[in-house]
Order: sequence, then C-alpha cells, then structure tokens
Amino acid sequence: GIQVEQSPPDLILQEGANSTLRCNFSDSVNNLQWFHQNPWGQLINLFYIPSGTKQNGRLSATTVATERYSLLYISSSQTTDSGVYFCAVVGRGGGGNKLTFGTGTQLKVEL
Amino acid sequence: GAVVSQHPSRVICKSGTSVKIECRSLDFQATTMFWYRQFPKQSLMLMATSNEGSKATYEQGVEKDKFLINHASLTLSTLTVTSAHPEDSSFYICSAVQGVPYNSPLHFGNGTRLTVT
Repeated sequence: GIQVEQSPPDLILQEGANSTLRCNFSDSVNNLQWFHQNPWGQLINLFYIPSGTKQNGRLSATTVATERYSLLYISSSQTTDSGVYFCAVVGRGGGGNKLTFGTGTQLKVEL
Repeated sequence: GAVVSQHPSRVICKSGTSVKIECRSLDFQATTMFWYRQFPKQSLMLMATSNEGSKATYEQGVEKDKFLINHASLTLSTLTVTSAHPEDSSFYICSAVQGVPYNSPLHFGNGTRLTVT
C-alpha cells in the first residue's frame, strides 16, 4: 500500500514563530487532507488539498502532486496550535477508497 | 455542515463484555463510513470500510468476528467490540464521506476512548 511519511516528527516553537510541516507519499494520490488532532483526540479538518495551494487564516497548504509531497505552513503560531498534525491520502492504486494516515508531527507551541 | 457524531465519547467496560459505538452523519448521507483505531502516540490505523446495506470490508489482521460493523442506513454505522479484553483498549474513530473517498473529503467523529478492565 501507499506509504506516507511526515517530517519533522516533533517540533517545539515559541509563540509567534512560523513553521513548515512536510508530508511525502510514495504513489500518486486522488485525495489528500491535513488534520489537526487536539489533546482531546478530536480530528479537525484543516484542508482538503489533492493539488494546488489553499489558505485559511494563519494556515496554508500546498500539494505538488507530481512530486508526491505536501506542505503545511503555520504562521504566527499560538499555543492553541499545539497537538498532532496528520496528513492523509487516498492512493490511486488498488484499494483507491482508503484514507491512509501519515506518521504525524507532534507540535508544541510555548509562551 | 458535514458533522459526524460519535457516541459514546468514553466507555469503561469489564473484560468479556461487549461494547457498541455509534457513528452518525448528522447533515449528510454517508455512502461510505470508515472505522479507525489509534494507540497512544501512534497514527490512525484503518480497521474496516463499510457501505450502507453491504458487509464491511476489513483490513488485514482485523478480526471481523470481534469487531462487528453494521451500516444499517446512510446516516448510521455501528462498531461492536465483542468479548472485549484489555488489549482492545484504544481510541476508536469513525469517519464518513458523502461522495466517493477518492475525490471527496472525509469527516471524522470525535472518537471513543475504550478502556477494558
């Protein structure tokens, strides 16, 4: 099946700093989403972005499907941004209806 | 829009008993629902895919007789953990999609934290 690797695995930021999270995938994809999992386990949909660039407030994402990666940008980070960020993809290969999650990036934003 | 409700949010049960978890799409009809499992500090692992009116498709290594999935309507899927044991303790999350997963976003419930004593 498709492999999804995220980097960095852990990240500590001072409040106000910017960061870039990366998601690499091993095959072509039809669907790519970014999620934020808060400390209570809730998964928050950030972006549905199989290709191109989107922005929502302090967050933006870019997917370069031909090069098999996606980036999530967080600007002016806040303590409420802390949690785990996952990208998840649906590969075009066999089993093309399954959303496979990446390894995640644990983010901690400190005052 | 696109709200998925999952209940209960937390359950503690004794070893040997069964637990049912409900997943409902509140404002859309979900053609497909998925059940995931997450262990502490790990990613989400897909357990099974369910389509309304048909049998669920289980991922390799997931016991279908232990994790019973029923997708009775376009807005409701249930996961029953039968004869639960402490090793079944985990965080279970459902998701639902209105269109087809390969070109539609998936929406997730808030998860169920199961503790088996």
